[in-house]
Amino acid sequence: DGGITQSPKYLFRKEGQNVTLSCEQNLNHDAMYWYRQDPGQGLRLIYYSQIVNDFQKGDIAEGYSVSREKKESFPLTVTSAQKNPTAFYLCASSRSQETEAFFGQGTRLTVV
Amino acid sequence: GESVGLHLPTLSVQEGDNSIINCAYSNSASDYFIWYKQESGKGPQFIIDIRSNMDKRQGQRVTVLLNKTVKHLSLQIAATQPGDSAVYFCAERRGDKIIFGKGTRLHILP
Repeated sequence: DGGITQSPKYLFRKEGQNVTLSCEQNLNHDAMYWYRQDPGQGLRLIYYSQIVNDFQKGDIAEGYSVSREKKESFPLTVTSAQKNPTAFYLCASSRSQETEAFFGQGTRLTVV
Repeated sequence: GESVGLHLPTLSVQEGDNSIINCAYSNSASDYFIWYKQESGKGPQFIIDIRSNMDKRQGQRVTVLLNKTVKHLSLQIAATQPGDSAVYFCAERRGDKIIFGKGTRLHILP
């Protein structure tokens, strides 16, 4: 069935290591987004992409990088430059700029 | 950040009563608004949306009201059930971005 798949659900990394979070969608959506959510808080936009091979920084892009080589995939790399990487990461996609976004189930990253 | 807050406001509602969750937005250029429901440990789930050329939209047990004059959005849930217990977020489209509000935790009293 169609949807957005984030993997893994839980991820543990040592401080100083880069880590890549996967996001795949089979909805044929053009736009994809990455958000970060800290406990008891709202969602903050990290990066977004409206089309393949193009992406823009969101409100908290420092310490993160993305790529959009395929329409269905939008991986997020959390680099060692991100000061507080432990968080719940959510990926979303939308058909266009004028529609709602659908979310994956999230990846909880813990850096120790 | 535009949606950072230290504590989520909580709304406690008796089971069977109606719930009203409010949201203020800041950008008068925003033209599309969405309500999401997020259960613990899961991704947000779309509930209902509304465009700026409307002031009311109804779904199954939910109604969204938009007051552009005061930049205010509300979500009404009729006959609240235990399964409605979650955090509710309003979100607005600003060009290519979707920006989220702070969220409200809905707690259902038995």
